[in-house]
Amino acid sequence: AQSVTQLDSHVSVSEGTPVLLRCNYSSSYSPSLFWYVQHPNKGLQLLLKYTSAATLVKGINGFEAEFKKSETSFHLTKPSAHMSDAAEYFCVVSLGGYGQNFVFGPGTRLSVLP
Amino acid sequence: EAQVTQNPRYLITVTGKKLTVTCSQNMNHEYMSWYRQDPGLGLRQIYYSMNVEVTDKGDVPEGYKVSRKEKRNFPLILESPSPNQTSLYFCASSLKQGAGANVLTFGAGSRLTVL
Repeated sequence: AQSVTQLDSHVSVSEGTPVLLRCNYSSSYSPSLFWYVQHPNKGLQLLLKYTSAATLVKGINGFEAEFKKSETSFHLTKPSAHMSDAAEYFCVVSLGGYGQNFVFGPGTRLSVLP
Repeated sequence: EAQVTQNPRYLITVTGKKLTVTCSQNMNHEYMSWYRQDPGLGLRQIYYSMNVEVTDKGDVPEGYKVSRKEKRNFPLILESPSPNQTSLYFCASSLKQGAGANVLTFGAGSRLTVL
């Protein structure tokens, strides 16, 4: 069975400082991994995805994530936070195949302080 | 514009009054799915559909029904809503699984309150 753990329910950073949102997964097979962002009162938008190509994945708005199989981690980073990054972030794992079951982590709320 | 459209966006209803939340996509996606989002729990899958007339239960299907009579539509039906179904609901779609994982495209969400 697959599962996703997001280690922090809430992260607060100052504008211009680095962002680190942590995600660990559990999967019996090689998964695909995603980060989605949800701004207040909006749907979810894809930030980036990993599908067994390069382990360092670049996404939109300056975000990137590194897949580390030995640590079963897929942490999301950004060198410099902007006010517009304040949102809820979800780490997602999928084995694909029939059912394409996507398992969502509980989410991390990112606050950006001026 | 490629999109997933859900209606209604907001609904307040009473226990036991049947309701349907519609979901439509214009991307010719085979796969469609319903999720509910509750604080601290992330998104949990209710039902999914791999194609027309093919549906299956997700993690939290109790109290819900779905149908997939057309490729573009995937309505969520609450036959007898109860207060524990008060939640934010999302419909999502993607291409059928091919090489690599396909990305989910989400609707804007439907906030349901059951009194």
